[in-house]
Amino acid sequence: QKEVEQDPGPLSVPEGAIVSLNCTYSNSAFQYFMWYRQYSRKGPELLMYTYSSGNKEDGRFTAQVDKSSKYISLFIRDSQPSDSATYLCAMRRTGFQKLVFGTGTRLLVSP
Amino acid sequence: EADIYQTPRYLVIGTGKKITLECSQTMGHDKMYWYQQDPGMELHLIHYSYGVNSTEKGDLSSESTVSRIRTEHFPLTLESARPSHTSQYLCASSVQGDSGNTIYFGEGSWLTVV
Repeated sequence: QKEVEQDPGPLSVPEGAIVSLNCTYSNSAFQYFMWYRQYSRKGPELLMYTYSSGNKEDGRFTAQVDKSSKYISLFIRDSQPSDSATYLCAMRRTGFQKLVFGTGTRLLVSP
Repeated sequence: EADIYQTPRYLVIGTGKKITLECSQTMGHDKMYWYQQDPGMELHLIHYSYGVNSTEKGDLSSESTVSRIRTEHFPLTLESARPSHTSQYLCASSVQGDSGNTIYFGEGSWLTVV
């Protein structure tokens, strides 16, 4: 079983929709949670960073962490065609530098 | 915005050739990483370095080697390329800040071995 599970998609939505992207994980020691956006043929770009449980908002993006359920989410409000990309969740334990990544969810926002 | 550069971006090379993928960062980060990513698959850490003259193998076994002679430079070398080495290679660096360890990625090097 993988440490981090993520639905690969693709997830297709119309412009303006609210998008929910999710990851589950098995290692309760994970404390740092990240969401990266990766456009085709590009490197991942850090979108959101959260520590432990709770919510964090940045513009149209909201990251949620539910450690009791081992479940993290990224919400995108008012989605735009420019949001079309692959979204990767990543996480790590305290004191460990290495990240564990999900496989990524491909998002397609149609105009 | 991260200042981490990878060359070449795309490379097609014959089996048995030696190749070096270059990675440089201008941010003075101590920690650098190489990840391998196949299409539709997760990133796998293949090498990392916590500073000059420090290199370690990652979670995924790789026939490549790395060196870290200067802080800003972390090249990856394949002595004899094989078709199984065809993949995307992503270089990254990180800094410990208020938000923890933030990892920045380069744009990737796409390697095709024929």
